[in-house]
Amino acid sequence: DGGITQSPKYLFRKEGQNVTLSCEQNLNHDAMYWYRQDPGQGLRLIYYSQIVNDFQKGDIAEGYSVSREKKESFPLTVTSAQKNPTAFYLCASSLGGGAYEQYFGPGTRLTVT
Amino acid sequence: GQQLNQSPQSMFIQEGEDVSMNCTSSSIFNTWLWYKQDPGEGPVLLIALYKAGELTSNGRLTAQFGITRKDSFLNISASIPSDVGIYFCAGQVKNSGGSNYKLTFGKGTLLTVNP
Repeated sequence: DGGITQSPKYLFRKEGQNVTLSCEQNLNHDAMYWYRQDPGQGLRLIYYSQIVNDFQKGDIAEGYSVSREKKESFPLTVTSAQKNPTAFYLCASSLGGGAYEQYFGPGTRLTVT
Repeated sequence: GQQLNQSPQSMFIQEGEDVSMNCTSSSIFNTWLWYKQDPGEGPVLLIALYKAGELTSNGRLTAQFGITRKDSFLNISASIPSDVGIYFCAGQVKNSGGSNYKLTFGKGTLLTVNP
């Protein structure tokens, strides 16, 4: 089945530790995205990548980093510099080339204490 | 950045009733998308709209791209308990330059359906 996978579903970390969230897609999509969702809020864009080896900051990139070494993979690292890391993180992908429909993974809930 | 105003924030309805929600903006949009999110899951794309005035259905769901290109609505007919969830609108702003793939999201409408 084609789709987007995120792992793990739940992640717990101590404050001060970096943590990496996984996102993989087998849809052959060029573009990938990371969003953060807080209770009662819409989705806020962290980083996005339109093509392999290239990525841009979204609206709330501070305290996060990404890489795009492979088309299928777009991992997100939440660093210790992120002041409020506890949130629901969503990865998405789109075909690119002017196709705006984004398809989402199941999400990872990160809790930092 | 661009803003989408989505309303209502929440709705409580009886099973079988019809539902309507909408999104408005001061900006002109090229694309409108409607998503549904179940608790603890990722949003699922319901309907995509690409032309002003376009009216598209997906089962009991109908969405329209406003003529002014600044709004869109989603209707759900004959609601059932599994319609419960958060519905998000999203759009791609016209002339957003190099950020062509970025979407702007509304804050969502929480729908509760009483059986």
